Amino acid sequence: EVQLVESGGGLVQPGRSLRLSCTASGFTFGDYAMSWVRQAPGKGLEWVGFIRSKAYGGTTEYAASVKGRFTISRDDSKSIAYLQMNSLKTEDTAVYYCTRDSRRWLQPSPFDYWGQGTLVTVSS
Amino acid sequence: DIQMTQSPSSLSASVGDRVTITCQASQDISNYLNWYQQKPGKAPKLLIYDASNLETGVPSRFSGSGSGTDFTFTISSLQPEDIATYYCQQYDNLPRTFGQGTKVEIK
Repeated sequence: EVQLVESGGGLVQPGRSLRLSCTASGFTFGDYAMSWVRQAPGKGLEWVGFIRSKAYGGTTEYAASVKGRFTISRDDSKSIAYLQMNSLKTEDTAVYYCTRDSRRWLQPSPFDYWGQGTLVTVSS
Repeated sequence: DIQMTQSPSSLSASVGDRVTITCQASQDISNYLNWYQQKPGKAPKLLIYDASNLETGVPSRFSGSGSGTDFTFTISSLQPEDIATYYCQQYDNLPRTFGQGTKVEIK
């Protein structure tokens, strides 16, 4: 069974940093691109960014709203994807979801599995 | 960025009704269009991929159609468990963008 479990959320002051983790199980993690999607309280879904698999260069792409502040990385030996968030702003307050791109041969592709989400609150 | 415009933003229908949601892309995205269902307090779930393909395990009352810029999502017979917000999402170009969502309620 595919599972994605996010951790690392919490309350953080503006300007500080936080690192989220997404621990995967039930599939060959290294074969898939992984993405992060967020949802501000009462709002819609916003794609944050993704990291391709090593077979596709392991490169990353980001939304303009987080580019230069957020960094996605992966440790295939541990089946974990990370979201390093620096210079946090109040508008980054959201539930952050880890997702899997469904197709190994097409990156990006639809998100077929999602974690339960972790809440990040940026407030002084 | 490609803008995805969903309508309506909310709707109320009776059990057994046919429900239709539309999604319009600001430019041609071929069939790179997905539909997700999000129930309150839960993560989204993929229902339809590539505009018209039903994800494994999803009930056949859900369907999708369209290509290019105009897409439609249909629930053929609304059930109480379908109460949720539905989002379209394109993946033709980065950044991947979502529609603003359609909240479906029971009348």
